[in-house]
Amino acid sequence: GAVVSQHPSRVICKSGTSVKIECRSLDFQATTMFWYRQFPKQSLMLMATSNEGSKATYEQGVEKDKFLINHASLTLSTLTVTSAHPEDSSFYICSARASGRSYNEQFFGPGTRLTVL
Amino acid sequence: QKEVEQDPGPLSVPEGAIVSLNCTYSNSAFQYFMWYRQYSRKGPELLMYTYSSGNKEDGRFTAQVDKSSKYISLFIRDSQPSDSATYLCAMSLGTDSWGKLQFGAGTQVVVTP
Repeated sequence: GAVVSQHPSRVICKSGTSVKIECRSLDFQATTMFWYRQFPKQSLMLMATSNEGSKATYEQGVEKDKFLINHASLTLSTLTVTSAHPEDSSFYICSARASGRSYNEQFFGPGTRLTVL
Repeated sequence: QKEVEQDPGPLSVPEGAIVSLNCTYSNSAFQYFMWYRQYSRKGPELLMYTYSSGNKEDGRFTAQVDKSSKYISLFIRDSQPSDSATYLCAMSLGTDSWGKLQFGAGTQVVVTP
């Protein structure tokens, strides 16, 4: 159990376009989902925390108008990178936190590799 | 100064050797400490989870936390080539154990046959 999927796994886009990444908890309900960004050989950096039905909380330095997060249901959160630029190229990973469990760890998705040309 | 420091490696060991990994941190408010394994182009998977100071063992893995020194360790006994991956330490505050996680940079481990 506790599987988190992401779609797409890899995306290449032109500069200026918008890209949507989906994060789904497949076998549990996630009241909270987290979005991370990871540059090569660097740590995961938390971008935002998303709670179902409410606005996301963004970390300092992360532009909320550029990285739009929607957590419309207990199993789906989306991250939209608007007007993507080459510096947005990175590995984006989501995690989901189960509700109602005594051991409510974060379960991570497999990540989405974004390349902006 | 980063809140969590971790040597990025790479750390190369022969099969069967003990792998020793560690992280140091600066925020004494961290109460929960985790170790994750991440294979290339994959998401992290939880290996060990400990609360406060002490040792925890799970199979070939042993996690140690020394809060007085702000130092945590992960040992992998009888290492296998399949253990080759990046190992990330992570920690969180006492107010919410699985809330915001602060990660180290990750140590790349290579176990050679």
